[in-house]
Amino acid sequence: QKEVEQDPGPLSVPEGAIVSLNCTYSNSAFQYFMWYRQYSRKGPELLMYTYSSGNKEDGRFTAQVDKSSKYISLFIRDSQPSDSATYLCAMSVGSSNTGKLIFGQGTTLQVKP
Amino acid sequence: DADVTQTPRNRITKTGKRIMLECSQTKGHDRMYWYRQDPGLGLRLIYYSFDVKDINKGEISDGYSVSRQAQAKFSLSLESAIPNQTALYFCATVSNTGELFFGEGSRLTVL
Repeated sequence: QKEVEQDPGPLSVPEGAIVSLNCTYSNSAFQYFMWYRQYSRKGPELLMYTYSSGNKEDGRFTAQVDKSSKYISLFIRDSQPSDSATYLCAMSVGSSNTGKLIFGQGTTLQVKP
Repeated sequence: DADVTQTPRNRITKTGKRIMLECSQTKGHDRMYWYRQDPGLGLRLIYYSFDVKDINKGEISDGYSVSRQAQAKFSLSLESAIPNQTALYFCATVSNTGELFFGEGSRLTVL
């Protein structure tokens, strides 16, 4: 079993829809939780970052962490065609700046106009 | 110019050949990383370096070696490439806040 599981999709939604992306994990020691967005032929870029449990909102994006259930989510409101990308969850143990992240498989999202 | 630059961007080679992927960064970060991305497996850490004199193995280091030539340069070598090393390779640096900055990737195909 992988430490981090993420449904690879693909996920296709109409423009304006609310999108929910999810990851589950098995290592209770994870403390830092991130979502990266990767456009085609590009490297991943950090989208959201949370420490421990709770919610974090940034514009149309909301990240949720439920450590008791070992479950994290990324919600995208009013989705746009420009949101079409692969979304990767990532987690780390201990200090956030070790760069030693465990990534999910990535979910490919397509937002249709 | 990109903050993290990888060369080559694409490479096709044959089994048994030696390959080097190069990475340079202009962000001034001490820590550099090589990740590998495969469909259905996400990104996995190959090697990382916290400074010029510090090299560490990651999750999947077998078959790979690295060299940290300077703070800004970190290269990945495949001494004898094999087909299951066909993948997309990413170099990255990390900020003090924990954000990874990735290059645009080097796509390697081993025939």
